[in-house]
Amino acid sequence: NAGVMQNPRHLVRRRGQEARLRCSPMKGHSHVYWYRQLPEEGLKFMVYLQKENIIDESGMPKERFSAEFPKEGPSILRIQQVVRGDSAAYFCASLSGTETYEQYFGPGTRLTVT
Amino acid sequence: AQSVAQPEDQVNVAEGNPLTVKCTYSVSGNPYLFWYVQYPNRGLQFLLKYITGDNLVKGSYGFEAEFNKSQTSFHLKKPSALVSDSALYFCALRGGGNKLTFGTGTQLKVEL
Repeated sequence: NAGVMQNPRHLVRRRGQEARLRCSPMKGHSHVYWYRQLPEEGLKFMVYLQKENIIDESGMPKERFSAEFPKEGPSILRIQQVVRGDSAAYFCASLSGTETYEQYFGPGTRLTVT
Repeated sequence: AQSVAQPEDQVNVAEGNPLTVKCTYSVSGNPYLFWYVQYPNRGLQFLLKYITGDNLVKGSYGFEAEFNKSQTSFHLKKPSALVSDSALYFCALRGGGNKLTFGTGTQLKVEL
C-alpha cells in the first residue's frame, strides 16, 4: 500500500516563475492537507481540501498561492511569481476521513527560489 | 486560539538512558494530541496519539506519552534511548477540520 506521494522532491525556481507541487494521497484517502515548513520553524497549516472542494484555506497567503484537488489526479499546490521567502519544505498529508484522526505525511517538496 | 509549545529546542541524552521530550498545549475543549518524528530530508512519521482514555499512550518504536490534563502537558517518553532515535520531534494538536497545529520541534540527540 503506497504512502503519500509528492513530486517533485526538490524544485528550484527563479524569482517570478511558477511552482507546481503535486500530492497523491494514500489510497482510499479523500482528505488532503498542505503544510509549509520554513527553515528553523515548525510546520504551519496552509489548506485543507476534499475532492473538488477547498474546505479551509485559512493558512494560505492571500496572493500568489492556490490549491486544488480535482476529481481525478493529484492535489496541486500552485505558487505564482515565486519570491525568495517562498523557499521552504512543503508537505502534504492525507486522512481517510474515518475517525482515526492521524494524518499521514508525504516526503515533502523542497522549494528553493534563486 | 489553540497553541502548542515545545520548550526545548534540543534534548541530549546518552544511549540507554530514559528520554523525555516536553510538550504543553492550550485549547478550549478536549485536546486531541499527536507526536510525529522527522528524520533528515524526510516527511513526518506518526508515533502516537491521545484522543481519550488512558493517560499513558503507547506508540511506535517503544515510545509512549503521558497526558496530564491539569498541567496541559503531553510529554513524550522512552525508557531506554537508542542512537537511532536521534531526530526532530513534533508535538501537534488537532483543530477544526482535523488540521494540525504544531510545536516548533525538539531536536533529540542520543549519544553513545
